Amino acid sequence: DTEVTQTPKHLVMGMTNKKSLKCEQHMGHRAMYWYKQKAKKPPELMFVYSYEKLSINESVPSRFSPECPNSSLLNLHLHALQPEDSALYLCASSQQSGSADTQYFGPGTRLTVL
Amino acid sequence: EDQVTQSPEALRLQEGESSSLNCSYTVSGLRGLFWYRQDPGKGPEFLFTLYSAGEEKEKERLKATLTKKESFLHITAPKPEDSATYLCAVYGGNYGQNFVFGPGTRLSVLP
Repeated sequence: DTEVTQTPKHLVMGMTNKKSLKCEQHMGHRAMYWYKQKAKKPPELMFVYSYEKLSINESVPSRFSPECPNSSLLNLHLHALQPEDSALYLCASSQQSGSADTQYFGPGTRLTVL
Repeated sequence: EDQVTQSPEALRLQEGESSSLNCSYTVSGLRGLFWYRQDPGKGPEFLFTLYSAGEEKEKERLKATLTKKESFLHITAPKPEDSATYLCAVYGGNYGQNFVFGPGTRLSVLP
């Protein structure tokens, strides 16, 4: 089973709201990722967690706050977002980070910021 | 400078009309090249991983090949359900711990 699940599927929020995106995998992977994807563009890496520790932050604004409560779960906390943050947010996982292991993606959360 | 490009940007095929998509890369010390299929509004679906020049992998109507400079995704007798964006990603060289994705090829297969 190579399933990564994400909730919610769709999220609409105002610029003053606080919301969270959730991601879960049960493949025993030790690396988890957040990507942002705009329409007709490839995914852009935001964060990498390796063994539940943040290993890469691609200069993402502080209004995005990742959290890895355990090896199976990954959250992305959102606060005071801007309309330009509207995008498809993808979670992925792989056996290890810093290696050529295949990344498996979840279905994504479509975020709209009003 | 390390780069990943894909061509064509968009491709329209008639059902049954075979073709190939290209992913070209300039990276020293490639450690892996990955092909994904992505339907609109959904997450990328893993297709193939290739690790060394000369390697080939097949799945149904798809075949991926790898040389030292590029990879091809061959689609044989495509069907309308093969319509999607096909993304390649590379790992290695100066990319550190990141996958770097190409811009993708949007494939439309007409019945």
